Amino acid sequence: EVHLVESGGGSVQPGGSLRLSCAASGFTFNNYAMNWVRQTPGKRLEWISVIDWSGENTKYADSVKGRFTVSRDNARNTVYLQMNRLFAEDTAVYYCARADCDSTGCYRSEYWGQGTLVAVSS
Amino acid sequence: DIQMTQSPSTLSASVGDRVSITCRASQSISIWLAWYQQKPGTAPRLLISKASSLESGVPSRFSGSGSGTEFTLTISGLQPDDSATYYCHQYVTFPTFGQGTKVEIK
Repeated sequence: EVHLVESGGGSVQPGGSLRLSCAASGFTFNNYAMNWVRQTPGKRLEWISVIDWSGENTKYADSVKGRFTVSRDNARNTVYLQMNRLFAEDTAVYYCARADCDSTGCYRSEYWGQGTLVAVSS
Repeated sequence: DIQMTQSPSTLSASVGDRVSITCRASQSISIWLAWYQQKPGTAPRLLISKASSLESGVPSRFSGSGSGTEFTLTISGLQPDDSATYYCHQYVTFPTFGQGTKVEIK
């Protein structure tokens, strides 16, 4: 059974940093790209990043480019999201999700974690 | 970015009703559209991909249709368990989601 567990969320002041982790199990981790998607307090969903199976190729939404960095450790079956220079607008529940690939890219996800809350406030 | 607009924002219907949710894209996305169901406190659940392909384990009362810029999610025979928020999601390019449609049972 596919299982994804996020951790690392919490409260942080504007301008601060957090690193999220997503531990995967139940599938061959290094065969899959991974997505990060966030959901704002208003329930809007926003895709923010994808990393390919090797970790060598990454993409970001414009809203986080230059501030967030996605990485993975295939030996630990874990994907990370390093978030720097956080703004209040980054407050959201952050989900990791296993990416399913199509000819257009690896942006669709059947399996999601339970999410971790990031709250940016002074 | 491709904008996705769902309607209605909320709908209320009775058990057994047929309900439809519409999703419009700001430009053509061919068939690269998915539908998700989300219940409070849980992650989104993928129901349909490629506009009309039902995911494994999803009840057959759910169906999707459309291509280009206009898409529809239909629930034929609404059940109490279908009370949730539904999101469309385009993935022809950097993905974007609709704002959601909350389905309530009368």
